Amino acid sequence: QKEVEQNSGPLSVPEGAIASLNCTYSDRGSQSFFWYRQYSGKSPELIMFIYSNGDKEDGRFTAQLNKASQYVSLLIRDSQPSDSATYLCAGRDSNYQLIWGAGTKLIIKP
Amino acid sequence: GAGVSQSPSNKVTEKGKDVELRCDPISGHTALYWYRQSLGQGLEFLIYFQGNSAPDKSGLPSDRFSAERTGGSVSTLTIQRTQQEDSAVYLCASSLGVTSGNTIYFGEGSWLTVV
Repeated sequence: QKEVEQNSGPLSVPEGAIASLNCTYSDRGSQSFFWYRQYSGKSPELIMFIYSNGDKEDGRFTAQLNKASQYVSLLIRDSQPSDSATYLCAGRDSNYQLIWGAGTKLIIKP
Repeated sequence: GAGVSQSPSNKVTEKGKDVELRCDPISGHTALYWYRQSLGQGLEFLIYFQGNSAPDKSGLPSDRFSAERTGGSVSTLTIQRTQQEDSAVYLCASSLGVTSGNTIYFGEGSWLTVV
């Protein structure tokens, strides 16, 4: 069974600090990975996708992919209370199916 | 359209009634997905359409659930003889294709309450 695993949290981070969200996946054939943010009562919205080993930066967000270790992470610098949400990790496997993690709830404390 | 459009946004129905939920994907998007999300839970895959290929129905929880996509665009998810456990938000998403970099975009969801 192909799985994407995330710690459900909540992960509590003080305002201004770096929030680090992690995700592991079981299918070595997975080719690309996505991070979505979901506010309570809202639908998921895309933050970033990554498909190459290494880091990809977009503003305060950095996605990291390590295919050898089968993990993906999302770093949020200078965390703001508005970053408080559930973060969903998804991997697209070798059959192009999307496998979703259950999400990590992030709380940024002022 | 500019985004994925779903209707109705909210639906309250009596147990045992049938409901239809509609999704209009982003123009030109060939892939369309239906997910279900219960309160405080993760995304539950229901069904996936890609172009003219046979849909992947592997996530449909029972034969009370069905979906169709007409003309490769609009999709309708039908739930027959609704049960209280069907109460959830039903999310539709679409993507340009299914290759590695194609991201999916979600609609605002249809919130279903079965009383």
